Amino acid sequence: DSGVTQTPKHLITATGQRVTLRCSPRSGDLSVYWYQQSLDQGLQFLIQYYNGEERAKGNILERFSAQQFPDLHSELNLSSLELGDSALYFCASSSSVNSYEQYFGPGTRLTVT
Amino acid sequence: GQSLEQPSEVTAVEGAIVQINCTYQTSGFYGLSWYQQHDGGAPTFLSYNALDGLEETGRFSSFLSRSDSYGYLLLQELQMKDSASYFCAALRGTYKYIFGTGTRLKVLA
Repeated sequence: DSGVTQTPKHLITATGQRVTLRCSPRSGDLSVYWYQQSLDQGLQFLIQYYNGEERAKGNILERFSAQQFPDLHSELNLSSLELGDSALYFCASSSSVNSYEQYFGPGTRLTVT
Repeated sequence: GQSLEQPSEVTAVEGAIVQINCTYQTSGFYGLSWYQQHDGGAPTFLSYNALDGLEETGRFSSFLSRSDSYGYLLLQELQMKDSASYFCAALRGTYKYIFGTGTRLKVLA
């Protein structure tokens, strides 16, 4: 158990819909990262927040957005969902802004039908 | 472009030593991490190399050569529980992370 929690564990929704994935980092960790893992793309870095501020952006689509709240939990919002958005979404956390050691949550499996 | 290449699959027997290679092509390179992921599980951190050379952590060691844009993960005394996917990940400037496509390791009894 990494100490990072993610909800929900599974999510099934239809194309065109909007969903919100939630992540709580390890106690004391200020950085939160979001990743997408699909069969054909591997692990793709989406976005990083540090202490409430966006710090880095990867291959995140404009239909996706994220934020980190004052209590340090983070939410990833996915809108206008497409079939290709079906994937495993991981949240990870670390103690510093530029940490190579990240602790991953169990993931949220999103299925878009 | 930015990419990390790994072999897709490696097979070895219990008790053996296996090396998983990673070659990278990325600007603003800070260092190379390695993660293990069992089927249905989350990635877990194994090691990190910021400088050239070998880092040892128990049965696992990781090596980096910046001049060759190359690194590897060495697993010794293989156990069945080591069967998993292994990812290298490059830490780049401005806190960006690029993961390799992963190597599936099969350990045979």
